[in-house]
Amino acid sequence: DVKVTQSSRYLVKRTGEKVFLECVQDMDHENMFWYRQDPGLGLRLIYFSYDVKMKEKGDIPEGYSVSREKKERFSLILESASTNQTSMYLCASSLSSSTYEQYFGPGTRLTVT
Amino acid sequence: AQSVAQPEDQVNVAEGNPLTVKCTYSVSGNPYLFWYVQYPNRGLQFLLKYITGDNLVKGSYGFEAEFNKSQTSFHLKKPSALVSDSALYFCAVRAYGGSQGNLIFGKGTKLSVKP
Repeated sequence: DVKVTQSSRYLVKRTGEKVFLECVQDMDHENMFWYRQDPGLGLRLIYFSYDVKMKEKGDIPEGYSVSREKKERFSLILESASTNQTSMYLCASSLSSSTYEQYFGPGTRLTVT
Repeated sequence: AQSVAQPEDQVNVAEGNPLTVKCTYSVSGNPYLFWYVQYPNRGLQFLLKYITGDNLVKGSYGFEAEFNKSQTSFHLKKPSALVSDSALYFCAVRAYGGSQGNLIFGKGTKLSVKP
């Protein structure tokens, strides 16, 4: 079974802090994704990566950056956390760009105070 | 533009009754369609997908979905609902063009099954 893990289930940070969210997948998947989930808005894509060191902006990249130095690891960075970034963050991976089935991690609920 | 819509924010059914969670889509080519389920405080789990072939797709936990090209719909169904089916359900469609490999998700439908 594919396993996608996220470094924290719950995180509380202060406004202005730099925040790192880590995601690791163990199935040699090419693609990795970061979403945020908010009530009534569904899942919105922040960034995705289709290869090591490659990244593409999603629908809401402002205030975020990402890093993919190794194939199995995809990090989301909040450069200066703000209260409107309080959300559930979901990481996902998929085998390749021709297979669309995504596998999700358990999520990180981030609260910025 | 590609999109997927889930017209109901919440669906309530009694245990043992059939359930339907609705999804409609808009894409420019052949649709690849997916359903995911999210239990409280968990990530999304894959339920089923339609790529091509039979319009009735069977998936996990007794769920199935019917692809209807003329109505551009992909409704999720189950003949007999369980209380444990209570969760948030997301429909998704593949993105075309520069977003190869991406999925576009609906806003989700909360299913509540009462005993």
